[in-house]
Amino acid sequence: AQSVTQLDSHVSVSEGTPVLLRCNYSSSYSPSLFWYVQHPNKGLQLLLKYTSAATLVKGINGFEAEFKKSETSFHLTKPSAHMSDAAEYFCVVSDTGFQKLVFGTGTRLLVSP
Amino acid sequence: GAGVSQTPSNKVTEKGKYVELRCDPISGHTALYWYRQSLGQGPEFLIYFQGTGAADDSGLPNDRFFAVRPEGSVSTLKIQRTERGDSAVYLCASSLKPGTSGYNEQFFGPGTRLTVL
Repeated sequence: AQSVTQLDSHVSVSEGTPVLLRCNYSSSYSPSLFWYVQHPNKGLQLLLKYTSAATLVKGINGFEAEFKKSETSFHLTKPSAHMSDAAEYFCVVSDTGFQKLVFGTGTRLLVSP
Repeated sequence: GAGVSQTPSNKVTEKGKYVELRCDPISGHTALYWYRQSLGQGPEFLIYFQGTGAADDSGLPNDRFFAVRPEGSVSTLKIQRTERGDSAVYLCASSLKPGTSGYNEQFFGPGTRLTVL
């Protein structure tokens, strides 16, 4: 069975500094991996996805993630945080048919001025 | 264009009552999913529809939970004899037909917050 582990429940950064949100996955086959963001009182929004193409994936709003099979990791990064990035971020793995998403427990990103 | 919509946005009910939660997917999306998000947790899969039929209902926690999608568009999640442990945000998502370009992205609605007193 697939699973993801988000290593930090909370991450605090200052505006303008880099962001790193960590995710490790477990899968019995080559996984498809996603990062979703959830702003308060809004629906989940897809940031980026990895589906066995390029290992460095670029997403919206300046976010990117790198798939590292040897480390079973899919960490999310951004060079410079904005106040508007403050939200809950979920690392997600899907089954082969992309029909069932398995979410991590989430990382709350706090951005201070 | 219009996204996934869910009604009501909030539902408060008493233990033992019956509730229905509605989801309107994006027009043209044949796949529809229900997830449940408990406080402080990530969403958990409940059920997946392809067209009118439930292709995978392995996530439904027990037989008090049931979902339908009679015309292949709008779906209703039904919960009988609600319990306090059913309190959560219920999320609906939709996606394109498998094999279609872009089908591997699920678009989520804002959710229905269910509170069982």
